[in-house]
Amino acid sequence: TQLLEQSPQFLSIQEGENLTVYCNSSSVFSSLQWYRQEPGEGPVLLVTVVTGGEVKKLKRLTFQFGDARKDSSLHITAAQPGDTGLYLCAGFQGGSEKLVFGKGTKLTVNP
Amino acid sequence: DTEVTQTPKHLVMGMTNKKSLKCEQHMGHRAMYWYKQKAKKPPELMFVYSYEKLSINESVPSRFSPECPNSSLLNLHLHALQPEDSALYLCASSQGRTLRTDTQYFGPGTRLTVL
Repeated sequence: TQLLEQSPQFLSIQEGENLTVYCNSSSVFSSLQWYRQEPGEGPVLLVTVVTGGEVKKLKRLTFQFGDARKDSSLHITAAQPGDTGLYLCAGFQGGSEKLVFGKGTKLTVNP
Repeated sequence: DTEVTQTPKHLVMGMTNKKSLKCEQHMGHRAMYWYKQKAKKPPELMFVYSYEKLSINESVPSRFSPECPNSSLLNLHLHALQPEDSALYLCASSQGRTLRTDTQYFGPGTRLTVL
């Protein structure tokens, strides 16, 4: 059973379009982190969300943590080819010290 | 500076070889991690060191032997590996005050191929 479900699994869009990817769970998480990973490289941290209902913005990226701390979303406005990559959400469930990852959303932004 | 460095970038080894992966951070972090990532899969936790002590071992085979010589360095010693151990090995670090809420920063990884 996957603790963190990400959707969609694959997304291919044109430059300039908007998109939202989702990270859902039936469990409560003390925090959720979003990473972007390129092939053969390590994940690069984008944001950590901690408080239920929290919204964080990073330029064209908007991250939201659900009120019940069971889900999160990442919205990208006016996507650019440089946004291409694998977007991973990860979190600590309850009191666990083990960071669990979703399977990721592979985003391709075509020029 | 949020940089975690890993060497080597690529490693090819035979099943009878002994090799080591190295990881270094200078952020003053007191927790360091090893993850294994197979192609098209998310990272999977292998080991956690907290204040230079092994805190979590996710039932990793003994052919993988971690070592934390000091708070800035983390090694992974490899011996008698199998071809199925080929993967991207990622090191991460975090502040270490509270592991279950820490933000982890990842290195670029070592691409390991076992022949």
